[in-house]
Amino acid sequence: AQSVTQLDSQVPVFEEAPVELRCNYSSSVSVYLFWYVQYPNQGLQLLLKYLSGSTLVKGINGFEAEFNKSQTSFHLRKPSVHISDTAEYFCAVSNSGGSNYKLTFGKGTLLTVNP
Amino acid sequence: GAGVSQSPSNKVTEKGKDVELRCDPISGHTALYWYRQSLGQGLEFLIYFQGNSAPDKSGLPSDRFSAERTGGSVSTLTIQRTQQEDSAVYLCASSLLGVTDTQYFGPGTRLTVL
Repeated sequence: AQSVTQLDSQVPVFEEAPVELRCNYSSSVSVYLFWYVQYPNQGLQLLLKYLSGSTLVKGINGFEAEFNKSQTSFHLRKPSVHISDTAEYFCAVSNSGGSNYKLTFGKGTLLTVNP
Repeated sequence: GAGVSQSPSNKVTEKGKDVELRCDPISGHTALYWYRQSLGQGLEFLIYFQGNSAPDKSGLPSDRFSAERTGGSVSTLTIQRTQQEDSAVYLCASSLLGVTDTQYFGPGTRLTVL
């Protein structure tokens, strides 16, 4: 079984500050990793994903994440946030082998960007 | 093109009634997923379809939940004899082939069981 831990349920930051949203996972097999964003009253949208290859993954809206296998982490970063980045962010994991259709999500981190 | 659509957007029902939730995936997407988002449990995987087949139904919370997909397109999630703990937002997603392809989510159906 897999699990995902998002260490911070809420992260308040000021506009133009850098931000890191932390995600750790537990799995006995190789994994795929994802970050999704949910803007207020909207559906989930994929930010970025790690399938294989380079451990630094760049996504939409200036976000990036780094896969660290030894630390079983996949932290999301942005060097300078905007008010419009205010949303809930979900980290997710799936097997890279069989039954890889099943995404296991973390509880989410609410990012609030203040002026 | 059109994204994933779900209907109804909101459903209020009485305990014990049956409900049907509908998902229209993006045209041409063979994979379809149902999730449930609730305050207590977060986002939970319910079921996955590849074409019309559901190889894994283990995420369904109880035998009151069932889902089908017809014509490799529309899917219906049915909850029989609804209970208050079924109250949640039910999300549908589709992807071109499988999980390595981007999953596109619908806006969800908010179910409230009184």
